[in-house]
Amino acid sequence: DSGVTQTPKHLITATGQRVTLRCSPRSGDLSVYWYQQSLDQGLQFLIQYYNGEERAKGNILERFSAQQFPDLHSELNLSSLELGDSALYFCASSVQGRNGYTFGSGTRLTVV
Amino acid sequence: QQQVKQSPQSLIVQKGGISIINCAYENTAFDYFPWYQQFPGKGPALLIAIRPDVSEKKEGRFTISFNKSAKQFSLHIMDSQPGDSATYFCAASLMNRDDKIIFGKGTRLHILP
Repeated sequence: DSGVTQTPKHLITATGQRVTLRCSPRSGDLSVYWYQQSLDQGLQFLIQYYNGEERAKGNILERFSAQQFPDLHSELNLSSLELGDSALYFCASSVQGRNGYTFGSGTRLTVV
Repeated sequence: QQQVKQSPQSLIVQKGGISIINCAYENTAFDYFPWYQQFPGKGPALLIAIRPDVSEKKEGRFTISFNKSAKQFSLHIMDSQPGDSATYFCAASLMNRDDKIIFGKGTRLHILP
């Protein structure tokens, strides 16, 4: 157990639907990062939050949004889902000024 | 723009052999170069990392070699074992800014028993 908790582990939904992925960071970590992993694109950075504030944005679609709550857990919202959104979504957390991330086990999203 | 390029995409090595994965980066401001190991169904896990002020770092059977002038770094796995079979990602970031980590596309390593 890495200490980063992601739920749900698996999600199957239809095109056009909206889903919410949840991440609880490791205790004491203020930064949360979201990544999308697909077979041909590797790990693509989506967005970073630090202590409730958005810190950096990557290749995140306008249909996707995220937030970090006062208790530091984060949610990634994916809407108007398309078949191409099927992927593994990982959350990672870190402490500012220390090296490396700790990843969760991911949420496997399948859009049918 | 792919800031970290990784090769090969896949690699097959005999048990006991040396596995070598190479990466190249573009941004000379990067100051932290980690390698992550990912097993099927799991999230990536930090394996070993290096800062650009050293040319080599070794932890057990795993060694990072770093060439700042060439903007290249590599992972060597000595005495490769079947349990090392996994996907390996090189990465780079600006840790003094707590910036995002940019990953290479990964290398699928298979160690033959």
